[in-house]
Amino acid sequence: GDSVTQMEGPVTLSEEAFLTINCTYTATGYPSLFWYVQYPGEGLQLLLKATKADDKGSNKGFEATYRKETTSFHLEKGSVQVSDSAVYFCALTRNYGQNFVFGPGTRLSVLP
Amino acid sequence: DTAVSQTPKYLVTQMGNDKSIKCEQNLGHDTMYWYKQDSKKFLKIMFSYNNKELIINETVPNRFSPKSPDKAHLNLHINSLELGDSAVYFCASSQGGGGSTDTQYFGPGTRLTVL
Repeated sequence: GDSVTQMEGPVTLSEEAFLTINCTYTATGYPSLFWYVQYPGEGLQLLLKATKADDKGSNKGFEATYRKETTSFHLEKGSVQVSDSAVYFCALTRNYGQNFVFGPGTRLSVLP
Repeated sequence: DTAVSQTPKYLVTQMGNDKSIKCEQNLGHDTMYWYKQDSKKFLKIMFSYNNKELIINETVPNRFSPKSPDKAHLNLHINSLELGDSAVYFCASSQGGGGSTDTQYFGPGTRLTVL
């Protein structure tokens, strides 16, 4: 079945450091790929997405590129802020968006 | 306007009780979901409904029963609550049309504590 693997962390960085959170997936066909973010005490929010190979999703300084050849969708940000501290989930969907598969989440802590 | 809302936000109850969590979405989406998030933040899908019809039913005890009176609502009823049911439950919705519409919108969560 479909699956998503991501580094579980926790990841601790200093403010303004470069962030990479790795995500790889297993799925047949051409899934859509997502990054969701969960701030403390809140629900998940869509951070960015890509719906086909080589697409780059971007939002709030975060980027991820859909790489079909390596089945990856790594999340990057050039300079993290304390306010980026959250849990980040990589996810995919096939079947016309009716079945989402989430990775285990990566907790990011950014220190001032 | 809240896109996906859940009530209650917190629910504390005794083992053996029956409780319900309500979910409503005002996005006009066709598909709604229930997820359980454990203490390690792992998110597991429980159910999915499309236009009031059950389409995903993962391995969930039959003490959990979803009810969808219309496509804007998906409620979760839990019978005979157990300690292991303590978690945060998230409702979500999506259009389900594929392509650029494939995005889930989540509610704020309901933290269930079973004593």
